[in-house]
Amino acid sequence: SQTIHQWPATLVQPVGSPLSLECTVEGTSNPNLYWYRQAAGRGLQLLFYSVGIGQISSEVPQNLSASRPQDRQFILSSKKLLLSDSGFYLCASKRPSTDTQYFGPGTRLTVL
Amino acid sequence: GENVEQHPSTLSVQEGDSAVIKCTYSDSASNYFPWYKQELGKRPQLIIDIRSNVGEKKDQRIAVTLNKTAKHFSLHITETQPEDSAVYFCAATRGAQKLVFGQGTRLTINP
Repeated sequence: SQTIHQWPATLVQPVGSPLSLECTVEGTSNPNLYWYRQAAGRGLQLLFYSVGIGQISSEVPQNLSASRPQDRQFILSSKKLLLSDSGFYLCASKRPSTDTQYFGPGTRLTVL
Repeated sequence: GENVEQHPSTLSVQEGDSAVIKCTYSDSASNYFPWYKQELGKRPQLIIDIRSNVGEKKDQRIAVTLNKTAKHFSLHITETQPEDSAVYFCAATRGAQKLVFGQGTRLTINP
């Protein structure tokens, strides 16, 4: 079965600072990878997804970006954080030719 | 695009009673419908799923039903226990790659 790692687990950053969140996957090759954001007490908002190395689709215009430098690595970045970027960031992985997405443990980001 | 509506937003039931959460979807091409359970501060975890060629699926105390004609599906939890307290999310496929999630239901089981 696949295992999804996210780093860091928690992060407190000042407004205007840069951001880099990492997601890595074990146990599968060529997964679809996803970044979701969950505001406190809210639902899951899809931010980006990737079907392969270097292939990124953006769902919501914002000051965030994503990259996939390796098959099982997905990175979420920002050059300048906003207060509204606070939330619980979840990476998800889906094996090729399947439907089920599995979530990583998440990164809790607080922007002050 | 696909839209998923989930009701109710909060649900409180007595321990041992049943709980039902309902979702409707808009895209008739959707063919896969998972349910996730999210405990406080944790990741969403898949608890059951159903495909469009099946009308009902059961796993111990949890069942999901699908009505393709009406475009709605429901989660049924029987003999509820305190550990069932959590937020539950339904989802439906949008295209071949994505899921659209409902807004979530906060389920509280009262002892």
